[in-house]
Amino acid sequence: GDKVKQSPSALSLQEGTNSALRCNFSIAATTVQWFLQNPRGSLMNLFYLVPGTKENGRLKSAFDSKESYSTLHIRDAQLEDSGTYFCAAEAGGYNVLYFGSGTKLTVEP
Amino acid sequence: EAAVTQSPRNKVTVTGGNVTLSCRQTNSHNYMYWYRQDTGHGLRLIHYSYGAGNLQIGDVPDGYKATRTTQEDFFLLLELASPSQTSLYFCASKQGNSGNTLYFGEGSRLIVV
Repeated sequence: GDKVKQSPSALSLQEGTNSALRCNFSIAATTVQWFLQNPRGSLMNLFYLVPGTKENGRLKSAFDSKESYSTLHIRDAQLEDSGTYFCAAEAGGYNVLYFGSGTKLTVEP
Repeated sequence: EAAVTQSPRNKVTVTGGNVTLSCRQTNSHNYMYWYRQDTGHGLRLIHYSYGAGNLQIGDVPDGYKATRTTQEDFFLLLELASPSQTSLYFCASKQGNSGNTLYFGEGSRLIVV
């Protein structure tokens, strides 16, 4: 089965609103990374997390290793936030990241 | 910011054809990876390497070979391409000691007709 389950698969937001994306892990994840794939296809790293939370501007991410999930919160969504968001988890020491299937976010005016 | 360069960026080949995708990273990262991206599947790991001459099998290795010739260079080889290998391929690299940020190349779109 899927090692990383990501939800929702697609999401549409009005500009200025808030939302949250979630990943659940069936592996013993020790670190999590979140990526944004822009409409041109480029993948950009947003966060690298050990258990805990990080914030960067309007984005905030949390990783709970005991409950095996991670979340990405988007506050005050802007048009440029549109794209596909991926989470990826690494199980301790193996240097391999397993990806979720992505959340396609569309921010509308 | 780590630099990962892939070539070619776009490739069309025929069924049974021979394709090599190239990846170079210039940040002395130990680990390099090849992923394929398909709708509904996210990114799936094909092969990876932790150094020159090393090769590890990922989750979807069938039909693919790979070779890490130097610290910088990692190649993905499709010796008998099939339409099921039509995909967007990403190379990525990171420093060892789990937990470092993964850096991606810009992707190589392959179409097998």
